[in-house]
Amino acid sequence: GEDVEQSLFLSVREGDSSVINCTYTDSSSTYLYWYKQEPGAGLQLLTYIFSNMDMKQDQRLTVLLNKKDKHLSLRIADTQTGDSAIYFCAESNQAGTALIFGKGTTLSVSS
Amino acid sequence: GAGVSQSPSNKVTEKGKDVELRCDPISGHTALYWYRQSLGQGLEFLIYFQGNSAPDKSGLPSDRFSAERTGGSVSTLTIQRTQQEDSAVYLCASSLAGLGETQYFGPGTRLLVL
Repeated sequence: GEDVEQSLFLSVREGDSSVINCTYTDSSSTYLYWYKQEPGAGLQLLTYIFSNMDMKQDQRLTVLLNKKDKHLSLRIADTQTGDSAIYFCAESNQAGTALIFGKGTTLSVSS
Repeated sequence: GAGVSQSPSNKVTEKGKDVELRCDPISGHTALYWYRQSLGQGLEFLIYFQGNSAPDKSGLPSDRFSAERTGGSVSTLTIQRTQQEDSAVYLCASSLAGLGETQYFGPGTRLLVL
């Protein structure tokens, strides 16, 4: 079945770049997503990438997609303490009826 | 409203009681999803509604769980005879249509079963 894997923790210093990695199994996903969850809050769509793209940039965020290796990454430039949150990678299930999420990467930013 | 809303935001219940959780999707969104977020399990898909089509219930963990969507808008997730392992945050999402459209999430209902 579909599966999404992420590392669980990442710790960086303020001003550094953060890179969160994800691997997925279903190559038929049309879109791949990154969601952010701050403490006590719901899921916020951060960005997404269409499966026929290699890269998408949106301000401080860069998404890289390697379809051959089924690897997705999210780079946050100039990481701020406000970026501390849990970041979830997600792909669509084969039926396109739901998202399959990774377990989330907790990003901790120290000043 | 501007986003997906859910009520209640928190619910504490006793084991064996039934609970109802409500979701109001973004106006105009035809697709609605329920997920559950629990420690150790991450985010799990529960059920998907799209327009008037039969819902995809493949994620419901047991027959104690059911959901309805009335009038193509508001949805209610019902858990009967709650168990302690049902304690989790229940998240609702909606999208403009189904099949690959971006899903927007509500703030969730935090359920605690004592």
